Amino acid sequence: GNSVTQMEGPVTLSEEAFLTINCTYTATGYPSLFWYVQYPGEGLQLLLKATKADDKGSNKGFEATYRKETTSFHLEKGSVQVSDSAVYFCALRGGGGGSQGNLIFGKGTKLSVKP
Amino acid sequence: NAGVTQTPKFQVLKTGQSMTLQCAQDMNHEYMSWYRQDPGMGLRLIHYSVGAGITDQGEVPNGYNVSRSTTEDFPLRLLSAAPSQTSVYFCASTYGENGELFFGEGSRLTVL
Repeated sequence: GNSVTQMEGPVTLSEEAFLTINCTYTATGYPSLFWYVQYPGEGLQLLLKATKADDKGSNKGFEATYRKETTSFHLEKGSVQVSDSAVYFCALRGGGGGSQGNLIFGKGTKLSVKP
Repeated sequence: NAGVTQTPKFQVLKTGQSMTLQCAQDMNHEYMSWYRQDPGMGLRLIHYSVGAGITDQGEVPNGYNVSRSTTEDFPLRLLSAAPSQTSVYFCASTYGENGELFFGEGSRLTVL
């Protein structure tokens, strides 16, 4: 079945450091890929997405490229800020309707950015 | 804009008690779902609905019931709470199978 694997956390960085959070997936067909962010005490929010191979999703300085050849969707940001401290979830949606339309989430990576 | 609203935000139950977590959305979304979030486990799908009158099981449905009598509401019922159901529960909705999921703020449930 479909699955998502993302790097274990927590990740602690200094402000302005470069961020990479690795995400790889297993899926049949052509899934859509997502990164969601959860700030403390809040629900999840969509950060970015990509719906086909070689697409690059971007938002708020974060980027991720859908790499079908390596089945990866790594999240990157060139210069993190304290306000980026949150839990980041990689997610996959398989093609087709019904249950295939459900999102499958990775376990989440907690990021802490120190001033 | 209300979006997805969950109540209650916090609840403490004793083992064996029943309760309902409420979820309502005002975006006219057809698709709604319930997830639970546990440390180190990410989010796991409990039940989902693709429209009023239609529900189906997700990855971890045991111990939970749902119904969808209207487009707006998708309550999650715990019939006989167990300590293993201690978790944070999130309701989410979207407008179609390829749409962005919109999440509520979560309901933290503790079962003693």
